[in-house]
Amino acid sequence: EPEVTQTPSHQVTQMGQEVILRCVPISNHLYFYWYRQILGQKVEFLVSFYNNEISEKSEIFDDQFSVERPDGSNFTLKIRSTKLEDSAMYFCASSEAAGTYNEQFFGPGTRLTVL
Amino acid sequence: KQEVTQIPAALSVPEGENLVLNCSFTDSAIYNLQWFRQDPGKGLTSLLLIQSSQREQTSGRLNASLDKSSGRSTLYIAASQPGDSATYLCAPRGSQGNLIFGKGTKLSVKP
Repeated sequence: EPEVTQTPSHQVTQMGQEVILRCVPISNHLYFYWYRQILGQKVEFLVSFYNNEISEKSEIFDDQFSVERPDGSNFTLKIRSTKLEDSAMYFCASSEAAGTYNEQFFGPGTRLTVL
Repeated sequence: KQEVTQIPAALSVPEGENLVLNCSFTDSAIYNLQWFRQDPGKGLTSLLLIQSSQREQTSGRLNASLDKSSGRSTLYIAASQPGDSATYLCAPRGSQGNLIFGKGTKLSVKP
């Protein structure tokens, strides 16, 4: 069964460093998403991406964040200068389309720890 | 702004019980609603998607209902098993495409 994959599973970085989190969405999907979950808190939407551009973004997704689809299979989230409060589990998701019938499928997540 | 509340926050039941998890949301203008399960330290597994025009959706021992006008959804789990132990998350989807999550109900099914 097709699934969303994410690498790495765990990333440890120093405050102020840049990190890139990688995702491979399900192959025939067209809509891509990033969410995050700070330990013990709700899953929060960051950004959605379609047709090589951002569709929607939340207040969390400030200038420190960027997304890219560098090739036909990968979808990346870059954090330019990490802060302690960026420590969270980051989930990538994809869906075939954005209509009412379309389910979002999530990857296993990348645990980001900022020291 | 959509707010999602899930009650109860935690639930412990003996194996074999039927149980109901509740979800309420403040903005009834949703496109659909997904229920997920999350195992500790893991990703989200989609259980059911119920469209805004549907009242119910079933998958195996799971049944989700949706009352859009009153802003409520329930997840019914029949004949619970220890393997059902996990956190269950409700997430309505609005017109912008993103899911808004509740805090979840942590379910523990005792053998």
